[in-house]
Amino acid sequence: EVVLTQSPGTLSLSPGERATLSCRASQSVSSSDLVWFQQKPGQSPRLLIYGASIRATGIPDRFSGGGSETDFTLTISRLEPEDFAVYYCQQYGSSLTFGGGTKVEIK
Amino acid sequence: QITLKESGPTLVKPTQTLTLTCTFSGFSLSTSAVGVGWIRQSPGKALEWLALIYWDDDKRYSPSLKSRLTITKDTSKNQVVLTMTNVDPVDTATYYCAHGKAWFGELSTTYYFDYWGQGTLVTVSS
Repeated sequence: EVVLTQSPGTLSLSPGERATLSCRASQSVSSSDLVWFQQKPGQSPRLLIYGASIRATGIPDRFSGGGSETDFTLTISRLEPEDFAVYYCQQYGSSLTFGGGTKVEIK
Repeated sequence: QITLKESGPTLVKPTQTLTLTCTFSGFSLSTSAVGVGWIRQSPGKALEWLALIYWDDDKRYSPSLKSRLTITKDTSKNQVVLTMTNVDPVDTATYYCAHGKAWFGELSTTYYFDYWGQGTLVTVSS
């Protein structure tokens, strides 16, 4: 089973700043299989990125994904107030797994 | 418009069997390249994938829970049912169902969850 480790656990930033979130896999993951979600308190997860770098419908272009093999990144170029949330990476491979999440909080 | 809604008991006793139903609209599970998955989230914890059923009735389960889970579909009712046997207090969580969409990448076909239900909180307690 592929283990996804997200870092940092918490990211404290101000609106307008750039956020860089990491997702590291215990073994190589196909870029096609890497997905990012956003979750706000009391809400269901929201799909942000699939195929490691393809924004889902309606997702602003300040969100971008990248990486390959074992290292993937979600970048939010300029944080808006509504972006403060928890972010999860997920891979669809031999078994489907989620990372532990990164909380982006207001500094 | 795709919507999904989970239903089932809010309280279950330890050792009992939990049965959850996902009722959906806006798509058919008899259409190719479609799936429905179940994911749970314990209070304050990360998401955990449980099971996934595909349009062709293929099924995948979390290796750690496989012995306790069964996922089935009723295409005529637009429902997917997840049963979990021998529940324990650690199974207390919000359970989500989600629409799985196939994406045909360069090297393989993958699925991602693009629509989620609102979730249903299940508490396991005596």
